[in-house]
Amino acid sequence: GNSVTQMEGPVTLSEEAFLTINCTYTATGYPSLFWYVQYPGEGLQLLLKATKADDKGSNKGFEATYRKETTSFHLEKGSVQVSDSAVYFCALNRDDKIIFGKGTRLHILP
Amino acid sequence: DTEVTQTPKHLVMGMTNKKSLKCEQHMGHRAMYWYKQKAKKPPELMFVYSYEKLSINESVPSRFSPECPNSSLLNLHLHALQPEDSALYLCASSRGPRGSSGNEQFFGPGTRLTVL
Repeated sequence: GNSVTQMEGPVTLSEEAFLTINCTYTATGYPSLFWYVQYPGEGLQLLLKATKADDKGSNKGFEATYRKETTSFHLEKGSVQVSDSAVYFCALNRDDKIIFGKGTRLHILP
Repeated sequence: DTEVTQTPKHLVMGMTNKKSLKCEQHMGHRAMYWYKQKAKKPPELMFVYSYEKLSINESVPSRFSPECPNSSLLNLHLHALQPEDSALYLCASSRGPRGSSGNEQFFGPGTRLTVL
């Protein structure tokens, strides 16, 4: 079946540190991959997406590359800010159903 | 207009009450979704409407009843809920149709429901 596994949190970093949140997936066929972010008390916002192998999604300094050979879609940011504190969900879309990972809570300290 | 709106923002109801959640989008999207999210968990899919027809029901109890009056509106009617149904209820929409896996879903801010 289809599933998404992402690193457990919480992840605590200092401002300006480098961020990596690991995500791997299991899926039949060729799903699209997404990172969503949820700020406290809010709904989910799409952060970035990739629809085929080797695509790189990027937004607000965040990047992730669709790696078919390792079935991964790791999220990276070179220099995090306090405002990046949130929960990050890796997800895949197959046949109009989004499968979410469990989420990674990120705390950025000033 | 690139947002999904949901009302009310907060709702407290008793187990014998009947209430409704409302979701609206004006992006011309043809697929709409209801999710349930418990604290510190990812959203769980409840229902999918595609072209105003119910296409997916993830074995949701009948005390939750969805309705799609038109392509812009999605309702969730609630009746005889249990305290364990307390959660954040999220609505989402996407361009659709089914099978377009590249289409991202746009989420509303959610309704935080408390069942007493």
